[in-house]
Amino acid sequence: KNQVEQSPQSLIILEGKNCTLQCNYTVSPFSNLRWYKQDTGRGPVSLTIMTFSENTKSNGRYTATLDADTKQSSLHITASQLSDSASYICVVSARISGTYKYIFGTGTRLKVLA
Amino acid sequence: NAGVTQTPKFRILKIGQSMTLQCTQDMNHNYMYWYRQDPGMGLKLIYYSVGAGITDKGEVPNGYNVSRSTTEDFPLRLELAAPSQTSVYFCASSYESGGPSYEQYFGPGTRLTVT
Repeated sequence: KNQVEQSPQSLIILEGKNCTLQCNYTVSPFSNLRWYKQDTGRGPVSLTIMTFSENTKSNGRYTATLDADTKQSSLHITASQLSDSASYICVVSARISGTYKYIFGTGTRLKVLA
Repeated sequence: NAGVTQTPKFRILKIGQSMTLQCTQDMNHNYMYWYRQDPGMGLKLIYYSVGAGITDKGEVPNGYNVSRSTTEDFPLRLELAAPSQTSVYFCASSYESGGPSYEQYFGPGTRLTVT
């Protein structure tokens, strides 16, 4: 069964600290992996998209890694800011029967405290 | 360029009522999607469209209908609303589907409560 699991479910950190969010997937055949940021009451916004050949991709203070062998990804946030408080969703795209399917994780809810 | 817009933002329905959630994109995208997001769950695909006049079911289509008469608009119709349809609904669009070169853009969501 195609699944995307994220951990932790929630996380609280102090402003200025770093943190790492995890994503494990059992999706086949794998096409690409995406990380989204979803602010409360808003739609998800794309942070990164990675294919199996990309190990690392950065977007400002956000750095995503991908290990296609172990089917794991992480999102590292450096020098957190209050505005990083949001849910972070891992999404894996699979090409099944000629069409792409998106499999969404349940997200990690991050709260950054002053 | 407004991106993906959705109306209404909030709605309360009584059991058995019907309504249409509106979605419009101005990016000339071929693909459009409707998702629902329940608390603590990942987004679930309700319906999607690969172009005007072409729609297909996603994972959870029961109780919903869609149409796509233009590239820009992709309304979602709820017939005979049930409490199980209480959720946040997101519309999304992309130029093509799922490949690594194509971003998926989401609207701001419609929060629907059925009582």
